[in-house]
Amino acid sequence: QTVVTQEPSLTVSPGGTVTLTCASSTGAVTSGYYPNWFQQKPGQAPRALIYSTSNKHSWTPARFSGSLLGGKAALTLSGVQPEDEAEYYCLLYYGGARVFGGGTKLTVL
Amino acid sequence: QVQLVQSGAEVKKPGASVKVSCKASGYTFTGYYMHWVRQAPGQGLEWMGRINPNSGGTNYAQKFQGRVTMTRDTSISTAYMELSRLRSDDTAVYYCARGSPVATILDYWGQGTLVTVSS
Repeated sequence: QTVVTQEPSLTVSPGGTVTLTCASSTGAVTSGYYPNWFQQKPGQAPRALIYSTSNKHSWTPARFSGSLLGGKAALTLSGVQPEDEAEYYCLLYYGGARVFGGGTKLTVL
Repeated sequence: QVQLVQSGAEVKKPGASVKVSCKASGYTFTGYYMHWVRQAPGQGLEWMGRINPNSGGTNYAQKFQGRVTMTRDTSISTAYMELSRLRSDDTAVYYCARGSPVATILDYWGQGTLVTVSS
């Protein structure tokens, strides 16, 4: 069974920079896994942020960026705002199936 | 504007089936996949599968094979997800999400439907 692993929790100061990562149990994550990133706040539906590794949706704030880093997909937040406190999920493509990571709870403190 | 509006909350007994609907508007329904994702209370997101509304073709996560059926009615731009032989651990919020047929892009999401399985 394929497992996608994210940091369970991270803490960042307002104005700071933080990188969340997404690893696959099958090996290095490449662009062929079409990494997606989503933000979810309590009681709300997920909101799409990034698709195909680094592409932003029209509503994605400029401070969010996606990349591949050391064999993982990565989401970097630069100039973190208090409203960025949320759960973040990655999604990877496995030739028909998709698998979500377990999520990273980002605290802004 | 793109909207996905899901049916209301359901309470079911163990062993029963539930069918959740997702009505799409603001775009060409047959031009995009529809994915289904669930989230148990306090847990993460879980991909269940997707349907191609144009062809009716489906891909299901292995975990749900044999228990889930995804269908669509193109005349009313609505996708359906039916889950059978419900158990208590199927209690979750079920979401539909629009997906691009090129690459994997889940962009717009429904508001979610809470399904509670309890005797």
